[in-house]
Amino acid sequence: QVQMVESGGGVVQPGRSLRLACVASGFPFSNYGTHWVRQAPGKGLEWVAGISNDGSSQSYIESVRGRFTITRDNPKNTLYLQMTSLRPEDTAVYFCAKEYADFGAFDIWGQGTIVTVSS
Amino acid sequence: EIVLTQSPDFQSVTPKEKVTITCRASQSVGGRLHWYQQKPDQSPKLLIKYASQSISGVPSRFSGSGSGTDFTLTINSLEAEDAAAYYCHQTSSLPFTFGQGTKLEIK
Repeated sequence: QVQMVESGGGVVQPGRSLRLACVASGFPFSNYGTHWVRQAPGKGLEWVAGISNDGSSQSYIESVRGRFTITRDNPKNTLYLQMTSLRPEDTAVYFCAKEYADFGAFDIWGQGTIVTVSS
Repeated sequence: EIVLTQSPDFQSVTPKEKVTITCRASQSVGGRLHWYQQKPDQSPKLLIKYASQSISGVPSRFSGSGSGTDFTLTINSLEAEDAAAYYCHQTSSLPFTFGQGTKLEIK
């Protein structure tokens, strides 16, 4: 069964850190770029970060660059998002997603994990 | 950054109606424009890739067209289960961006 399952969300105080994980199964994980997309409460989708299939290239939205780090462990079929210096505006559901092809559509999505940044 | 603007933001429609949602890009994205459906408390689901390519398992009433800066998602003969938010998404250049979404309500 092709799926991606996120974990690691929770409630955290501003300025603190959190690491999200996304475990993939049912497809050759190391062949595909993967991404994190977030959705603030009641809002639309926002692409956050992406990483190439071999981990050699990463990209970020400007508002998280320098605070968030996307990595992957291909032998473990796992994608990560290390989030530091968290802000209230980072509160959202965080989805991981797989690229269909390089610079392609996101064809497989996880169910999401909720991150709440609040004092 | 490429800005995607969807129209309308909200539409209330009756079953069997034909629905058209448009997505305009602030600069050309070629054909790298995709459409997703998101139902409440669910993750997004890919409906159409590369502007007009269908996805296995997606009902044939969903279709897409366009290129460059202007794109359209069409839903023929709307069904009650199509109540959802719809998003366009460009992967032509980084940062990847989404439209603001179109919410469809079924009367």
